[in-house]
Amino acid sequence: SAVISQKPSRDICQRGTSLTIQCQVDSQVTMMFWYRQQPGQSLTLIATANQGSEATYESGFVIDKFPISRPNLTFSTLTVSNMSPEDSSIYLCSVVGIAKNIQYFGAGTRLSVL
Amino acid sequence: GENVEQHPSTLSVQEGDSAVIKCTYSDSASNYFPWYKQELGKGPQLIIDIRSNVGEKKDQRIAVTLNKTAKHFSLHITETQPEDSAVYFCAASIRVRGGGNKLTFGTGTQLKVEL
Repeated sequence: SAVISQKPSRDICQRGTSLTIQCQVDSQVTMMFWYRQQPGQSLTLIATANQGSEATYESGFVIDKFPISRPNLTFSTLTVSNMSPEDSSIYLCSVVGIAKNIQYFGAGTRLSVL
Repeated sequence: GENVEQHPSTLSVQEGDSAVIKCTYSDSASNYFPWYKQELGKGPQLIIDIRSNVGEKKDQRIAVTLNKTAKHFSLHITETQPEDSAVYFCAASIRVRGGGNKLTFGTGTQLKVEL
C-alpha cells in the first residue's frame, strides 16, 4: 500500500489567514485527491489534483478558496485561504496507487480556525 | 450524481456478536464499492472492497455482499472484538478517466463493541 505523509497533522489558525497542507506519497500514484471531513461527518471531495495542470474542483469548491498544486506524481499541496471558523475541519489527502486501483488516505490535517 | 445512504448511524454490539451495516446507492453505473474503517484521530483505512461483477467477498471475519439489482451492499463483521470499535464508511464509485474512482461516501456508522 502507498504510505502518505501529510503535514501539518494539526493547526490552530486565526481568521483571515491561510494554511498550506502538504501531501507526500512514497510511490508514484495515478491520482491524488483532497477531501474535507467536518466534525462527526462524512468525507466530501474537494478536488482532484492534476499533475502539471489546474485541479478539477467539485461543486461548491473554488480555486480561489482552495488552491491546489501538484508539481509531480508524488506531491501535492492544498491551501485553505482567508480562513473562517466554518473552515474548521479535517482535510485529507487521498491517492490511487499504480499497482492496484485502490484509494488510500493520509492521516489528515486537523484544522481549527479561531 | 451518486447518492449513498448508510444505516444505522450507530451500532452497539456485545463482543463476539455479529455486526451488519447496510448501504444503498442511486447510480446504476457505480461499479466499485469499498468499505473504510476510521479510528479516532486517524484517516480512513480500506478494510474490504467489492466490484460489480462479484456478489460476495470475504476476508477472515469481514465480508461484503452486493445486490446490483436492488442497488445495495452490506458489511458483515463476525465475532466482533473491542478493536473493531470505530466509524465505518461505505462508498460507491464510478470509474473515471486516468484509472481512478470517484468515490461518494455514506454518512458513516459508529460501531461500538462492548465487553
